[in-house]
Amino acid sequence: DTAVSQTPKYLVTQMGNDKSIKCEQNLGHDTMYWYKQDSKKFLKIMFSYNNKELIINETVPNRFSPKSPDKAHLNLHINSLELGDSAVYFCASSQNPPYEQYFGPGTRLTVT
Amino acid sequence: RKEVEQDPGPFNVPEGATVAFNCTYSNSASQSFFWYRQDCRKEPKLLMSVYSSGNEDGRFTAQLNRASQYISLLIRDSKLSDSATYLCVVNSGGFKTIFGAGTRLFVKA
Repeated sequence: DTAVSQTPKYLVTQMGNDKSIKCEQNLGHDTMYWYKQDSKKFLKIMFSYNNKELIINETVPNRFSPKSPDKAHLNLHINSLELGDSAVYFCASSQNPPYEQYFGPGTRLTVT
Repeated sequence: RKEVEQDPGPFNVPEGATVAFNCTYSNSASQSFFWYRQDCRKEPKLLMSVYSSGNEDGRFTAQLNRASQYISLLIRDSKLSDSATYLCVVNSGGFKTIFGAGTRLFVKA
C-alpha cells in the first residue's frame, strides 16, 4: 500500500520542453508539498497546498505551476525546462497542523 | 544566519559507537521539531519527533532546548544500517517547514 506515490520516477528531457510530475497520497492528509533537492542534497520547499488551496509559494520561477485537482493529488508542471531544473523533486503530505510529513519516492529530473 | 543549521559532516564511526548530532534554529517561535533520515537516492523518512521533555526510541534519543534554540539526536550502539543522512526539521508555525542541510553518518565495521 503506497502512501505517497509519484510518477514518473525518472524523467530525462531536453531543454525547452514542458513536462509534468504527478503525485497522489492515500493517507487522507489535508496538506501536500513539493520539494526540490539539488545536487548538493539541500531539500527546499517549493509549494504547499492545503485542501486544494495554495498556501506556500516560495521564490520559484513562474515556469513551475502546481495544480491540485483534489485533496489527494498535487501535480507539478514545468514549462521551458532549463539545465538548472535538473534535480530530484519530492512530493510530501501531512495532516493539519503540519505534523510529520510523508514523502513520495521522488522524481529524478535530468535536463540535457 | 541560516534558519536551521546542522553539524557539518560526515561523521565516520565504528560499529557500537555513540554519536551525537546537533542542530540550531533561528526562529524562537518555532513549534515543532523532527529528525528525518534519508538514505542514498531515497526519500526522507521520519525518524522521530522531538518533544520538549526529550524522548527516546530504542537506541535513539532526541532532546530540545528551547532557551538555546537547539536540538540534538543521540544514537547509541551504532549499526551499519544507521549509515544515512540525518535531517533536522523545524516548523515555525503555519505550514512552512524548514529542513537542515543534513549530517552524513558512516558507520563502519
